[in-house]
Amino acid sequence: DVKVTQSSRYLVKRTGEKVFLECVQDMDHENMFWYRQDPGLGLRLIYFSYDVKMKEKGDIPEGYSVSREKKERFSLILESASTNQTSMYLCASSLTWGQPQHFGDGTRLSIL
Amino acid sequence: KNEVEQSPQNLTAQEGEFITINCSYSVGISALHWLQQHPGGGIVSLFMLSSGKKKHGRLIATINIQEKHSSLHITASHPRDSAVYICAAFGYSGGGADGLTFGKGTHLIIQP
Repeated sequence: DVKVTQSSRYLVKRTGEKVFLECVQDMDHENMFWYRQDPGLGLRLIYFSYDVKMKEKGDIPEGYSVSREKKERFSLILESASTNQTSMYLCASSLTWGQPQHFGDGTRLSIL
Repeated sequence: KNEVEQSPQNLTAQEGEFITINCSYSVGISALHWLQQHPGGGIVSLFMLSSGKKKHGRLIATINIQEKHSSLHITASHPRDSAVYICAAFGYSGGGADGLTFGKGTHLIIQP
């Protein structure tokens, strides 16, 4: 069965820290996505990758970067964490654009 | 950018009722997805639609491309259907991150 694994369910970090969120999929999917989800705002796309080393900015890329060195792994990096980045972060993958997405369980990140 | 509107935002119904959730979008799309998110955060893809109608168990999803509108129906609703339902509009392949917009979700509660 399809599996998208996020490295942590809960994470607490300090402002100014560099934070890494990892996501791994085992389905040989081309596309991988990072979202954040906030009450009242819904799901918002941070970054999208359509191939190894290829990425596109989503709606809210400011303060974030991503890395995709291998097809199965997509990392989200908070360069210098701030309190307004406290959120639920969700990773997803799909075979190609527009195909059903498979989501990880999410990481609830708190920045203190 | 596509504007995606979902209605209603909140819906409380009695067990057994027929449920309809609506999603409208402003720009032509290649596919529309319906997602389900249960308390605890896990998101599951229910349907991928590009035309017509799909059925899975008690869930039915329809899309009208000309009217830019999709509906999700639940027949014989059950308390386990209580969840947030989210529609996601995908632009055309190659549209990249600009081609993916989410509705804010419909919070459904089915009371026994």
